[in-house]
Amino acid sequence: GQNIDQPTEMTATEGAIVQINCTYQTSGFNGLFWYQQHAGEAPTFLSYNVLDGLEEKGRFSSFLSRSKGYSYLLLKELQMKDSASYLCAVRENSGYSTLTFGKGTMLLVSP
Amino acid sequence: SQTIHQWPATLVQPVGSPLSLECTVEGTSNPNLYWYRQAAGRGLQLLFYSVGIGQISSEVPQNLSASRPQDRQFILSSKKLLLSDSGFYLCAWSSPPPTQYFGPGTRLLVL
Repeated sequence: GQNIDQPTEMTATEGAIVQINCTYQTSGFNGLFWYQQHAGEAPTFLSYNVLDGLEEKGRFSSFLSRSKGYSYLLLKELQMKDSASYLCAVRENSGYSTLTFGKGTMLLVSP
Repeated sequence: SQTIHQWPATLVQPVGSPLSLECTVEGTSNPNLYWYRQAAGRGLQLLFYSVGIGQISSEVPQNLSASRPQDRQFILSSKKLLLSDSGFYLCAWSSPPPTQYFGPGTRLLVL
């Protein structure tokens, strides 16, 4: 089985930088995903990390440390539209590409 | 490009009534398909996944069932709805795995 932990809520100011952490425990790790979900909408894919290190994609970056069971999503130059829930999901080393999701971190960006 | 459709968008059903939710994917062949439920204040819960026509794997024992009658069609059903079935139902696809892309979702309220 898997255990995924994320902070429930975070607040930040427009233009700032925020880091959302995710820790996981799994019997066989095979990748970590970050999704963004605005209220009332479906999740949208942000990033996928399978190797250690930092993946940068515009204002968003995602970091993975497999030895520590740890990932973070870094959001730079925050905008009001970044207010959303951010979901961490882990893929296990099984035959099918099923994901286990954390409960998500609700980020509120204020002016 | 690939698109995924779900209908209906919202549904209000009485306890004990049947359910049929449909998901179709366009622009890809032989996708993996997934059904998730997101209840208020809870994370995404994987209900079913399918790697091909007629192939269904269940993750959570419950009064729901799934079918895949065609390559790009995935149906979620119930013979008798329970109050606890209320939630946001999301269909997702991946082709190739592992990244999953979500449909717009169906919001179900069981009264």
